[in-house]
Amino acid sequence: GAGVSQSPSNKVTEKGKDVELRCDPISGHTALYWYRQSLGQGLEFLIYFQGNSAPDKSGLPSDRFSAERTGGSVSTLTIQRTQQEDSAVYLCASSSGVNEQFFGPGTRLTVL
Amino acid sequence: GEDVEQSLFLSVREGDSSVINCTYTDSSSTYLYWYKQEPGAGLQLLTYIFSNMDMKQDQRLTVLLNKKDKHLSLRIADTQTGDSAIYFCAEILNTPLVFGKGTRLSVIA
Repeated sequence: GAGVSQSPSNKVTEKGKDVELRCDPISGHTALYWYRQSLGQGLEFLIYFQGNSAPDKSGLPSDRFSAERTGGSVSTLTIQRTQQEDSAVYLCASSSGVNEQFFGPGTRLTVL
Repeated sequence: GEDVEQSLFLSVREGDSSVINCTYTDSSSTYLYWYKQEPGAGLQLLTYIFSNMDMKQDQRLTVLLNKKDKHLSLRIADTQTGDSAIYFCAEILNTPLVFGKGTRLSVIA
């Protein structure tokens, strides 16, 4: 594909359930980022993968959040025991350098 | 601390110029960015400026950077209804982008 894709586009879940969000970066991009966009809070960095290096997890808000990047390509963000405050749009971005991050359309997560 | 600040709303008439302002805190930022987000869509990079520049022009967009005051602005000339969106200013510190909360631009026909 030409751009970053994310799935699902929308996810509604019940409080306490686990969810997995997927990101397919642009082919060949070595860096992958997850951000969260909450109403009134702007965009918040969550986690960053660069090549085979250990990920930068400094933005993850709690230990219920984790992410993997398999084979240096697809990434999955997992939220365990979801809470209502986890409701947000989760955005993935990839880049081949520091100049430009290309964003996917996001996954809108609603926790009831 | 790291903080990027923008006004939340701007309303302009079609055909006028729009100026969206942003202040950032870290003088060591190497690049500063403007992203556009249309309703229901992801973020689209509009333009960026390297920290050793003070101005960059790209068609209807002009970016001005005042490093002394840590002030960045985006001017959109001849604003059109299609420019209605949320505009995010961002700085890069180490690696992840640090975003402002976004300025919602409304264009009145």
